[in-house]
Amino acid sequence: AQSVAQPEDQVNVAEGNPLTVKCTYSVSGNPYLFWYVQYPNRGLQFLLKYITGDNLVKGSYGFEAEFNKSQTSFHLKKPSALVSDSALYFCAVRGTVSDFNKYYFGSGTKLNVKP
Amino acid sequence: SAVISQKPSRDICQRGTSLTIQCQVDSQVTMMFWYRQQPGQSLTLIATANQGSEATYESGFVIDKFPISRPNLTFSTLTVSNMSPEDSSIYLCSGGESSYNEQFFGPGTRLTVL
Repeated sequence: AQSVAQPEDQVNVAEGNPLTVKCTYSVSGNPYLFWYVQYPNRGLQFLLKYITGDNLVKGSYGFEAEFNKSQTSFHLKKPSALVSDSALYFCAVRGTVSDFNKYYFGSGTKLNVKP
Repeated sequence: SAVISQKPSRDICQRGTSLTIQCQVDSQVTMMFWYRQQPGQSLTLIATANQGSEATYESGFVIDKFPISRPNLTFSTLTVSNMSPEDSSIYLCSGGESSYNEQFFGPGTRLTVL
């Protein structure tokens, strides 16, 4: 089965510093990878995706993610964190072939950006 | 992108009763899903809502407990039946086009069962 892992429950970073939220994946076949953000009492918002092509994917709110096939990783990054980036972040992977219309979500990483 | 709304946004219910949650999409979507989420935790897929046919349920979820309707490509309902306090959770619907890959989520329904 397909899966993603987010090894950090929480990431703390100072405002203005770069941030990284880690995600590794396990899929059979080519991965379709996604990042979502969830603010308190809200649904998930789509940030970016990797389907094919350039390994560096740019998304909403200045976020980007780097697809690394050899390390099976898809880490979310931002050059300069904002306090307003504090939220819960989810990595997800789409199923392949037999479960192509299913999505598998990581456990989530809480990002805390301190002023 | 699709904009998804859910009703109600929250409810407090008595055990043994049922609640129906509505999910409306502002455009036609191929895929619609229902998830459950404990606050601050990951999502658990309940079922895939299939237009014009029975929903496809994940392991641990059954139609009698979580009946789902999807009469068209923009609307779905999830009913939580015979509720118990263990059903207290956030219920999220999502939708998307298969070819676009990403899903779009509703704001969620926060259910508390007393």
